[in-house]
Amino acid sequence: KQEVTQIPAALSVPEGENLVLNCSFTDSAIYNLQWFRQDPGKGLTSLLLIQSSQREQTSGRLNASLDKSSGRSTLYIAASQPGDSATYLCAVLLTGGGNKLTFGTGTQLKVEL
Amino acid sequence: DTAVSQTPKYLVTQMGNDKSIKCEQNLGHDTMYWYKQDSKKFLKIMFSYNNKELIINETVPNRFSPKSPDKAHLNLHINSLELGDSAVYFCASSLWTSGDYYNEQFFGPGTRLTVL
Repeated sequence: KQEVTQIPAALSVPEGENLVLNCSFTDSAIYNLQWFRQDPGKGLTSLLLIQSSQREQTSGRLNASLDKSSGRSTLYIAASQPGDSATYLCAVLLTGGGNKLTFGTGTQLKVEL
Repeated sequence: DTAVSQTPKYLVTQMGNDKSIKCEQNLGHDTMYWYKQDSKKFLKIMFSYNNKELIINETVPNRFSPKSPDKAHLNLHINSLELGDSAVYFCASSLWTSGDYYNEQFFGPGTRLTVL
């Protein structure tokens, strides 16, 4: 059974700092890995998707990496801003899993002025 | 120009009632999903439909019955609501991959269900 863990569970940083969020998964037979952002009381916004054959994806100040063999992904946020404050979720899509996303436990990020 | 929309946004009801949540997507996707986010914010798949056909039923009680009248809609009907059904329910959609390469899922804004 696939288990997805995110560390840390919560993180508070001063504005301008670069930071890394971690995601680990137990079953490496994944199709892809998706990073989402969830603001309080809101839905999920897809940030980045990495296919199993890719090593990283970039979008603006965000960079996500994937090491499938070790079951790890990181989300790097450069020059953090207060507007980045949200919960970040990673989710993996298993091969043969019927397109079912298995979500991590989330990292609640607060970027302070 | 909302991609995935859900109604209602909030739903407060008494135990034992029957309620429905509607979901619509205008992305041209052929696969739709229902996820449940519990009080600890953990998200878990409930159902998925591909071309109106049930693909995943993740051991959800049969009080929950999804209905897909067409590819753009997936509604969730819940009978005999219980306190433990209180949660946020998210609808999502994507293209089916089945050997294809790309399968990004897009989520709706969620429906917060409170059972009293």
